[in-house]
Amino acid sequence: DGGITQSPKYLFRKEGQNVTLSCEQNLNHDAMYWYRQDPGQGLRLIYYSQIVNDFQKGDIAEGYSVSREKKESFPLTVTSAQKNPTAFYLCASSAGTAPNSPLHFGNGTRLTVT
Amino acid sequence: GENVEQHPSTLSVQEGDSAVIKCTYSDSASNYFPWYKQELGKRPQLIIDIRSNVGEKKDQRIAVTLNKTAKHFSLHITETQPEDSAVYFCAATSPGAGSYQLTFGKGTKLSVIP
Repeated sequence: DGGITQSPKYLFRKEGQNVTLSCEQNLNHDAMYWYRQDPGQGLRLIYYSQIVNDFQKGDIAEGYSVSREKKESFPLTVTSAQKNPTAFYLCASSAGTAPNSPLHFGNGTRLTVT
Repeated sequence: GENVEQHPSTLSVQEGDSAVIKCTYSDSASNYFPWYKQELGKRPQLIIDIRSNVGEKKDQRIAVTLNKTAKHFSLHITETQPEDSAVYFCAATSPGAGSYQLTFGKGTKLSVIP
């Protein structure tokens, strides 16, 4: 679908390896977010960025890193320091960080680490 | 920080019946409450939202009510149809550190039985 593209859809890695998840948006949105979704846990915020070259930790940032070098791109790196990396990762964007700016989500990447 | 509790975690209703999902929040400064629907294998999508200066909002078969005093809000779906089957997430936005962040509930899996 148009808007936000996450790739790949499925990703498999061996334990101890870093892995980078891609997120690209063509909505010209300023703000971008990474959420982790686990069964029964809802959506938990990992990192968010309000503008290029700036990002903030969310509730569960440990073991993750991000960059925001371009407005349309917000890649997430899952490092070997993340103790339970297997999860479904959702990228989102919004026009701003005002309270009523709806989130537009990508289709997600399912990461499996063995 | 904000804490959002969502109940029930699963809900089964007969087609045509109504469904109600309830959420409570902890931060009295929260001022925006969206609901997202996630169909199986798809991305979450905003279905309805309400601001703190409004007590109720309707959109066809769905409605959201807000009780600021009690700090809870609810999603009401009338005349349920099989396509309403999905996981529903409530969320609350509270101001902080110059930006607004959404805190999600853990989700309700709604099953509509034909």
